[in-house]
Amino acid sequence: AQKITQTQPGMFVQEKEAVTLDCTYDTSDPSYGLFWYKQPSSGEMIFLIYQGSYDQQNATEGRYSLNFQKARKSANLVISASQLGDSAMYFCAMRATTGANNLFFGTGTRLTVIP
Amino acid sequence: NAGVTQTPKFQVLKTGQSMTLQCAQDMNHEYMSWYRQDPGMGLRLIHYSVGAGITDQGEVPNGYNVSRSTTEDFPLRLLSAAPSQTSVYFCASSYAGVAGRTDTQYFGPGTRLTVL
Repeated sequence: AQKITQTQPGMFVQEKEAVTLDCTYDTSDPSYGLFWYKQPSSGEMIFLIYQGSYDQQNATEGRYSLNFQKARKSANLVISASQLGDSAMYFCAMRATTGANNLFFGTGTRLTVIP
Repeated sequence: NAGVTQTPKFQVLKTGQSMTLQCAQDMNHEYMSWYRQDPGMGLRLIHYSVGAGITDQGEVPNGYNVSRSTTEDFPLRLLSAAPSQTSVYFCASSYAGVAGRTDTQYFGPGTRLTVL
């Protein structure tokens, strides 16, 4: 069975500061993929970053990086130099066992950036 | 290139009514999926398709039907709407990829459905 846990329902960060959003996961698959999506108030789902379970390095995409600790089964999202536009819901997800690139989502973290 | 499009954006139904949520993609993606998003929860998979003529159930399929006659379109049908189906519905598509590659899903803008 798959499980994604995001324990922070809401987070606040000062503009220009860095913030870490937590995600832990559980799966019996030896090979898996982990994703982060952003959902602003307008509602669309925006892909941010991907980490493969066998990737040697932590993924980075601009101001987003993924702190992947395989032994601890954690895949935390780090946003550097927060901007007001980063205020949104953030979802951690993993590739579902159904295949077809389907995703299994966590419950999300609402990030608010304070000016 | 419009990506993934969904219609309508908003819909209000009465209990027992039927309707079809439309989804189309112009990226020639093999895979298409439907999710629902309820307050305080992440997206949950309803149905998905790996190609024209092939569909399968996801985590929460009850009350929904799908079919896929073309690569581009993947409609979701509610045969007899219930208040429990009040939700935001997202359609997504992706290329057929090898497990482990970053074949991410592209999401449509969503349909907000209210069943009274």
